[in-house]
Amino acid sequence: EVQLVESGGGLVQPGGSLRLSCAASGFTFSSYSMNWVRQAPGKGLEWISYISSSSSTIYYADSVKGRFTISRDNAKNSLYLQMNSLRGEDTAVYYCARDSDELDYWGQGTLVTVSS
Amino acid sequence: AIQLTQSPSSLSASVGDRVTVTCRASQGISSALAWYQQKPGKAPKLLIYDASSLESGVPSRFSGSGSGTDFTLTISSLQPEDFATYYCQQFNSYPLTFGGGTKVEIK
Repeated sequence: EVQLVESGGGLVQPGGSLRLSCAASGFTFSSYSMNWVRQAPGKGLEWISYISSSSSTIYYADSVKGRFTISRDNAKNSLYLQMNSLRGEDTAVYYCARDSDELDYWGQGTLVTVSS
Repeated sequence: AIQLTQSPSSLSASVGDRVTVTCRASQGISSALAWYQQKPGKAPKLLIYDASSLESGVPSRFSGSGSGTDFTLTISSLQPEDFATYYCQQFNSYPLTFGGGTKVEIK
């Protein structure tokens, strides 16, 4: 069974940093590209970052470019999102999602709250 | 970036009704479109990919159609468990983009 489990969310002050993790199991993690998608409270879905299976290709949404860094460790079956210079508008539930062109599996999400 | 416009943003329907949600892309995306269902407090769930292919395990009352710029999600006979928010998403090019969502509520 495919499982994606996010962790690392929490309360952080504006300007602070946080690192999210996504632990994958039930599939060959190293064969799949991965994405991070977020959802602000009461709002729709926003894609924020993509990483290819070998980490050779990375994309970011303009809203996070220069502040967030996506990475992965295929040996540990893990995906990461380093978030720096956090702002109030980054408050959201953050999901990792497996890429099969469509996003076929999603984690349960981890809540990031940016507030003083 | 490719913009996706979903309509309506919300609708009220009864159990057994036929429900249609539309998604319009700002430029042609061939069939690179997916539909997701999201219930409160839960992650999105893939329903349809490649515009019209039903994801494994998804009931056959869900169907998708369209190509190019105009797409449709249809629920042939609405069931109680179908009350949720539905999103379209294009994967033709990065940045990936989602429609604004359609909330299906009980009439």
